[in-house]
Amino acid sequence: KAGVTQTPRYLIKTRGQQVTLSCSPISGHRSVSWYQQTPGQGLQFLFEYFSETQRNKGNFPGRFSGRQFSNSRSEMNVSTLELGDSALYLCASSLGPTGRGANEKLFFGSGTQLSVL
Amino acid sequence: TQLLEQSPQFLSIQEGENLTVYCNSSSVFSSLQWYRQEPGEGPVLLVTVVTGGEVKKLKRLTFQFGDARKDSSLHITAAQPGDTGLYLCAGEDGNKLVFGAGTILRVKS
Repeated sequence: KAGVTQTPRYLIKTRGQQVTLSCSPISGHRSVSWYQQTPGQGLQFLFEYFSETQRNKGNFPGRFSGRQFSNSRSEMNVSTLELGDSALYLCASSLGPTGRGANEKLFFGSGTQLSVL
Repeated sequence: TQLLEQSPQFLSIQEGENLTVYCNSSSVFSSLQWYRQEPGEGPVLLVTVVTGGEVKKLKRLTFQFGDARKDSSLHITAAQPGDTGLYLCAGEDGNKLVFGAGTILRVKS
């Protein structure tokens, strides 16, 4: 069974540009969550999608957006990039939605390392 | 937002030593998960603890959930270089998982 696939693996952009990251969940998983990981802040929750609907959103500006397709694949977009957006962006999939006692197991991809110059 | 504090932030030990890392909160969690992340990879789930006072063992790793379900610990016996990595605890906060900042463990041979 293939794991969670994130593309691209590395990305270098300049300030002001926009970027789209892709995540293919494990087959059969319908929930996809996105996290930003930085050395100073750790893993910060961005948003979760389940059955093409955004269930929850973290405390990030509107420049960060996402969507989920009918095949459960998800994309995350960051517009007007800032230097502080440099981070490892992790996607995780689970069978069902997380939270509220669900105890869902998250399976993470290897991430996309984004560098903003 | 419920916060999880992990300690220590960094631990460097010799192969064969024992160690314990902690995950604490002032809030009650319905469950806590522990993950290990190696450089260049995403976190991998090690265990989920659900019941207060619960102890789970995974080979040389022992996980405990506090009686009040506010804290958890991870004990590693006879650490090996392969245990090196970032250890993260995570708990459910409403509709999402929140993560602690993690403990970086380095085991030297």
